[in-house]
Order: sequence, then structure tokens, then C-alpha cells
Amino acid sequence: DAKTTQPPSMDCAEGRAANLPCNHSTISGNEYVYWYRQIHSQGPQYIIHGLKNNETNEMASLIITEDRKSSTLILPHATLRDTAVYYCIVRVSENAGNNRKLIWGLGTSLAVNP
Amino acid sequence: NAGVTQTPKFRVLKTGQSMTLLCAQDMNHEYMYWYRQDPGMGLRLIHYSVGEGTTAKGEVPDGYNVSRLKKQNFLLGLESAAPSQTSVYFCASSYQRGNTEAFFGQGTRLTVV
Repeated sequence: DAKTTQPPSMDCAEGRAANLPCNHSTISGNEYVYWYRQIHSQGPQYIIHGLKNNETNEMASLIITEDRKSSTLILPHATLRDTAVYYCIVRVSENAGNNRKLIWGLGTSLAVNP
Repeated sequence: NAGVTQTPKFRVLKTGQSMTLLCAQDMNHEYMYWYRQDPGMGLRLIHYSVGEGTTAKGEVPDGYNVSRLKKQNFLLGLESAAPSQTSVYFCASSYQRGNTEAFFGQGTRLTVV
């Protein structure tokens, strides 16, 4: 599975949009982009995933570039509770059997400030 | 709906002692996983299971054993704990197909002295 690169930390003002970038320049055509987050002292939490098209759910939006070499997770109105480490992961297929192949990097530590 | 529950939440062991970490999920998931998380490193997969009665090695399996006697439970055992096994352990589960995101427990903080 492809490796991802994320900035180690970011800041965002409460109420503003948080845009978290991820580079996955070696992604293959059948690899999905997944985003998880981990709030301090808790287990990781799934946010969203996508293959080619932009995706949106109740938590966030995922924008994937046309060449699929990078993506951006958007939290439209960040709150203090969104302070967490955000992980971008690429994985082959939607078959959960490939969860075993996930490579978790260090993610981006997002601080939402009042 | 409890989701994924890990017990215990905290434990201190002496070197050489043994213990079992229990993971229980109530979502009827086929797949279950055990990860460890250490400072400065991402989550690393220890063992996983694709169904009741089956287990397989992950990225860092040495020093650990697992069992999946019931679909809802996945046990992680340390036969002879070592200080290098001091870590935060996370259990996760997921469906085989469809909704393939993993659901994680709250973690077990283990210290081996």
C-alpha cells in the first residue's frame, strides 16, 4: 500500500474551516484514501473515505485531486472537540481484509483554538 | 450499543508476568484486530482474525498470542511480559465487506516494570 505524507501539526480557529492536506503521490488506481482521527487518550475514529470522487458526510468532506496524488480533509466549522490527531491512510479496495495492511503514520495534530 | 469494549483499561505488570487483554464487540463483525501504539510511532498491527476460530500474524506478533473462540471476542495474551511491551493496546473490528471502516476500542494502557 502507498505511503502518505502529512504535516505534523496545524492550527485552526474555532468556527473556521480546517483543511488538512495529505500527499499520496504513489497511490495506485485501486487504492482508497481513508481518514481517521484520534482524540487524546481515545481509540481512532473513522471519518470518511473515497476513491476518485469527492465525498461528504456529516463529519467532513474529502477532496481528492484529479490525479489522485493528494487529498484534503475539510472540517467545515471546526470546534474545540475537533482537536485531535488526523490520519490519512491509503488502502487497496473496500475489502476489510486489507485493514491488516494499513500503514499508520504519525498523522497531523490539529489544534482548534478558541 | 457498546461497540468495541476493551478490558482492562489500565494494568501494571512485572517483567515475566502473564496477562490477557479482552476485546468484545457487539456489532457481529467478522474481522477483529489488535494494535499497539507507542510514542513517536503509528499504530502497528499485532495480530488479526478474519473469523471465529481463525487468527493470523500482523506486523509485530512476537511475544503475543491471540485466540478467537467466539465471534464477538478476541483475546490478546502476553505469556512473559517484557518492558518493551509497555504500550497502549487498541482492539478494532470491522465487517468483511461493505462498511469497511474499523471501529476501535478505548485502549488498554499497559506498563511492564
